[in-house]
Amino acid sequence: DAKTTQPTSMDCAEGRAANLPCNHSTISGNEYVYWYRQIHSQGPQYIIHGLKNNETNEMASLIITEDRKSSTLILPHATLRDTAVYYCIVRVSGGTSYGKLTFGQGTILTVHP
Amino acid sequence: DADVTQTPRNRITKTGKRIMLECSQTKGHDRMYWYRQDPGLGLRLIYYSFDVKDINKGEISDGYSVSRQAQAKFSLSLESAIPNQTALYFCATSDYYQETQYFGPGTRLLVL
Repeated sequence: DAKTTQPTSMDCAEGRAANLPCNHSTISGNEYVYWYRQIHSQGPQYIIHGLKNNETNEMASLIITEDRKSSTLILPHATLRDTAVYYCIVRVSGGTSYGKLTFGQGTILTVHP
Repeated sequence: DADVTQTPRNRITKTGKRIMLECSQTKGHDRMYWYRQDPGLGLRLIYYSFDVKDINKGEISDGYSVSRQAQAKFSLSLESAIPNQTALYFCATSDYYQETQYFGPGTRLLVL
């Protein structure tokens, strides 16, 4: 699986959009970008994933650049409860893979009042 | 009720003791996983199972064993606990198609 690079930490004001970047310059054509988050020692929580098109769900939006070498997770209206470590993970999907998730250091997002 | 549950949530044990951590899920998923997390680090895969008859080692399986008693249950055992197995342990599940993993709340284990 391709390696990812994320900033160590970021701050965001409550109510504002949080934009979390991720670089994955060695991504292969069949690798997806996944985002998970972990709120203070709780189990990681799936947020969103995508291959090449931008994706949106009830939690966030995922913007993937055209060359797929980087992506941005957007939390449109951050709240204090969004304070967490956010992990960007690149991995092959498909039924024959065993679904291993390689968690790096992630980005510590702190949302301030 | 939570879809993925883990018991116990906290456990203190002594070096050399055998301990079992249990995971149950009501999501109907075939695939189950055990991870450990050390302070300040990401999660590392210990074992994974694609179905009841399929068990596979992850990247750090030494000192651990698992049992898949049923589709919904996956247990992790430490045959002879040692202090460096002190960590936060997570169970996760996924189905064949989505591959999104759903995690339990974790078990905090302290080995003295």
